[in-house]
Amino acid sequence: QVQLVQSGAEVKKPGASVKVSCKTSGYTFSKYFIHWVRQAPGQGLEWMGIINPSGGSTTYAQRFQGRVTLTRDTSTDTVYMDLSSLRSEDTAVYYCARDHYTYSSSSCTYWGQGTLVTVSS
Amino acid sequence: EIVLTQSPGTLSLSPGERATLSCRPSQSVSSSYLGWYQQKLGQAPRLLIYGASSRATGIPDRFSGSGSGTDFTLTISRLEPEDFAVYYCHQYSSSSHTFGQGTKLEIK
Repeated sequence: QVQLVQSGAEVKKPGASVKVSCKTSGYTFSKYFIHWVRQAPGQGLEWMGIINPSGGSTTYAQRFQGRVTLTRDTSTDTVYMDLSSLRSEDTAVYYCARDHYTYSSSSCTYWGQGTLVTVSS
Repeated sequence: EIVLTQSPGTLSLSPGERATLSCRPSQSVSSSYLGWYQQKLGQAPRLLIYGASSRATGIPDRFSGSGSGTDFTLTISRLEPEDFAVYYCHQYSSSSHTFGQGTKLEIK
């Protein structure tokens, strides 16, 4: 079965960076794009970006341009989300999610369990 | 960036009633690229509808989606106790995806 397993909770200081991993299994890694979505406490969902695991190409939401980097490791079927220059407003649960269709960007069918990132001095 | 406006913000209904949730994009969105999600407290979102009207695997047929352009609707025909949750619409027709702010469906 399709699974996306994310790394554990993180506590970071303002100005630091965080790297969250998303290990996938149960399907052909290269065929499905991976999204990253975050949710601040008590707030709605916010789309951050997407990566094509086949070639590594990425698209980021404008508000995260320059601060977020998505990468992948095809040897371990794992995608990484790196967010830099952290501020308190970045405190949120970060989700990875697999796309519905092969080789395209559409809806998010399978989701990781979420990773809580807390930014606090 | 396309902004999705969901209404109402909160919907109070009783089990067995019909729920109608609205999602209005700021620009026309292809019906192929509009989805709906359900999220319960402490859980990841679950895909209900993709392509505006196609049910995802395992989703009961009391959930249905419709609409086009700048007016989309999620309908739950007869509410079950497990349907009370927050619902989000999501568009992916532009190069940057966006989510609506959510509709909370609560028990009356």
